[in-house]
Amino acid sequence: GNSVTQMEGPVTLSEEAFLTINCTYTATGYPSLFWYVQYPGEGLQLLLKATKADDKGSNKGFEATYRKETTSFHLEKGSVQVSDSAVYFCALSDPAGGYQKVTFGTGTKLQVIP
Amino acid sequence: DGGITQSPKYLFRKEGQNVTLSCEQNLNHDAMYWYRQDPGQGLRLIYYSQIVNDFQKGDIAEGYSVSREKKESFPLTVTSAQKNPTAFYLCASSPTGSVNIQYFGAGTRLSVL
Repeated sequence: GNSVTQMEGPVTLSEEAFLTINCTYTATGYPSLFWYVQYPGEGLQLLLKATKADDKGSNKGFEATYRKETTSFHLEKGSVQVSDSAVYFCALSDPAGGYQKVTFGTGTKLQVIP
Repeated sequence: DGGITQSPKYLFRKEGQNVTLSCEQNLNHDAMYWYRQDPGQGLRLIYYSQIVNDFQKGDIAEGYSVSREKKESFPLTVTSAQKNPTAFYLCASSPTGSVNIQYFGAGTRLSVL
């Protein structure tokens, strides 16, 4: 079956530090890949996506590249801010079988300190 | 403003009681979903519906029930058969298309008294 593995948190960084959150996946078909962000007490919001190999998704300074050869979709940001503190979920959507089930990772909590 | 509205924000259940969580969307999306979120476990799919009057069990459907009588609404009932209902419940919807982008409500936190 499909699965998503994220690095465990929490990750604590100082403001303006470089961020990497690792994500690897297993899928039977040709999945689309996503990063969602969840701020405290809220639902998830789509941060970025990539639908095929070598695509780069980007939004709000965050980037992730779909690497089929390493089955990875690592999230990066060059300079984090306190407002980036949240839980980040890597996810995949696999169209195999007709229904596009979304599989989520367990989430990585990011805390940015001033 | 288009979006997904979940209510109530907080809910308390007594022993042996059924409770219903509301989810309404005005995004005109065909598909709707219910997830359960527990600390350190990510999101687990309870039920999903791809069209009105049809729904399917997800990975952890036992102790839960749903209905989909209107496109806009997908209520979730947590029955007394669910022995460990304390969790954060998230409703989502998605438009028909080749990429399943999900739009989430703000969630309902259910606790047992």
